[in-house]
Amino acid sequence: AQKVTQAQTEISVVEKEDVTLDCVYETRDTTYYLFWYKQPPSGELVFLIRRNSFDEQNEISGRYSWNFQKSTSSFNFTITASQVVDSAVYFCALSEANTGNQFYFGTGTSLTVIP
Amino acid sequence: GAVVSQHPSRVICKSGTSVKIECRSLDFQATTMFWYRQFPKKSLMLMATSNEGSKATYEQGVEKDKFLINHASLTLSTLTVTSAHPEDSSFYICSARVSFTGEAFFGQGTRLTVV
Repeated sequence: AQKVTQAQTEISVVEKEDVTLDCVYETRDTTYYLFWYKQPPSGELVFLIRRNSFDEQNEISGRYSWNFQKSTSSFNFTITASQVVDSAVYFCALSEANTGNQFYFGTGTSLTVIP
Repeated sequence: GAVVSQHPSRVICKSGTSVKIECRSLDFQATTMFWYRQFPKKSLMLMATSNEGSKATYEQGVEKDKFLINHASLTLSTLTVTSAHPEDSSFYICSARVSFTGEAFFGQGTRLTVV
C-alpha cells in the first residue's frame, strides 16, 4: 500500500497565484516525521520542512506554509504568491521510527508557474 | 542543516564497466545511510539501507550483486554499479541519517548515463 499519496501529478498556475500541494499519508506508527522536499530541474533535493507526529502546529516560512492534520492524515503545502522560481517537483515524504526512519516518498507533484 | 556530499554528480560510462558513487556525511556521523534510485519523472525508490560495519539490506527486486554497497565508516558509504548497462542509467541519491534525531539529509544526487 502506498504510504504517501500525492494525488496531484502536475499543477500549473500563473505567477502570483496561491497554490496548495496535497499530501496524504498512512502509518500505524505513533512516532513519525513528515517532510517536504523541492527538486528543481538540476535534480538535488532541497529540504523544506520536517514535522514530527507530536507537533500539529501549522507553520509559515515566508511564502510557504504547511497544514498538518492528523485527523485526516494530511500534510498540505501552500505557496502564496507563487513565483517562476517555485517551478519544480515537490515531494512529500514519511519517515517512521519503527522502520529505521527510512523515507517513503510520494510520487511528487510537478509545479509549473507561468510568468 | 547537516551536509551530505555525493560524488560524482554526473558520470558517463561504457556498458560493461563499473562505477562507484560516494556518499559522505561531512559534519556528523551516520550509522545508517540509504540509497535511492529515481527514474525520469518518477518518485525516489529505496534501493538499500546500509549500516556501518554490516551488510546492506536490499529492497525487494534490487540485485545485490549488481549494486554493491559498502559502509565502511561512520561518514562514508559507497554504491558500486557493476557491469553497468544502459538500463542502469538513472539518478541515484543517497541520504544519511543522524543517529539521535532520526533526521536524514540528502546528497546532491548522481546522474549515471551508461552508453
